[in-house]
Amino acid sequence: QKEVEQDPGPLSVPEGAIVSLNCTYSNSAFQYFMWYRQYSRKGPELLMYTYSSGNKEDGRFTAQVDKSSKYISLFIRDSQPSDSATYLCAMSEGRGGSYIPTFGRGTSLIVHP
Amino acid sequence: KAGVTQTPRYLIKTRGQQVTLSCSPISGHRSVSWYQQTPGQGLQFLFEYFSETQRNKGNFPGRFSGRQFSNSRSEMNVSTLELGDSALYLCASSPQQGESSNQPQHFGDGTRLSIL
Repeated sequence: QKEVEQDPGPLSVPEGAIVSLNCTYSNSAFQYFMWYRQYSRKGPELLMYTYSSGNKEDGRFTAQVDKSSKYISLFIRDSQPSDSATYLCAMSEGRGGSYIPTFGRGTSLIVHP
Repeated sequence: KAGVTQTPRYLIKTRGQQVTLSCSPISGHRSVSWYQQTPGQGLQFLFEYFSETQRNKGNFPGRFSGRQFSNSRSEMNVSTLELGDSALYLCASSPQQGESSNQPQHFGDGTRLSIL
């Protein structure tokens, strides 16, 4: 079992839909959680960065962490064709442990007009 | 503020050759990490440098090496190239200081290495 599991998709949705992207993990020491967006032929771009459990909102994006279930989500409201990309989750232990992030393999999202 | 810059963007090499990739981090970032990204394995951590010292290392063979200069710029070298080394090599920089903090990494657009 990989340390971080992420469904590769592709996930295809119509424009305007609410998108839910998810990751599960096995290491209970993870405390810092990140979501990156990667367009084709580009590097990953940091979207969201959260610590411990709870929600964080930034514009159309909401990151949710449930440490008791070892489950994190990224919600995209009013999805746009420009949101079509691969979304990578990442997590690290932080203080007292490794701050080097472990990445999921990414979910490919396609938003069609 | 300029982002992470990687050169070259594309490289084609043959088996047995060696290659050097370059990374300029975001100004003020002293931590530089290197990753290999392939469709089959995803993003895999190679190593991290801070203040010209390798601080963390992933599970890659000794053919993969790196270094960091006093201006925080970093290079990665791969010797005796194999077909399986074909990948996107990504550099990420971070303001990560000591081990008591946790700062997110910011990536460059990578170097696409193809081995023939």
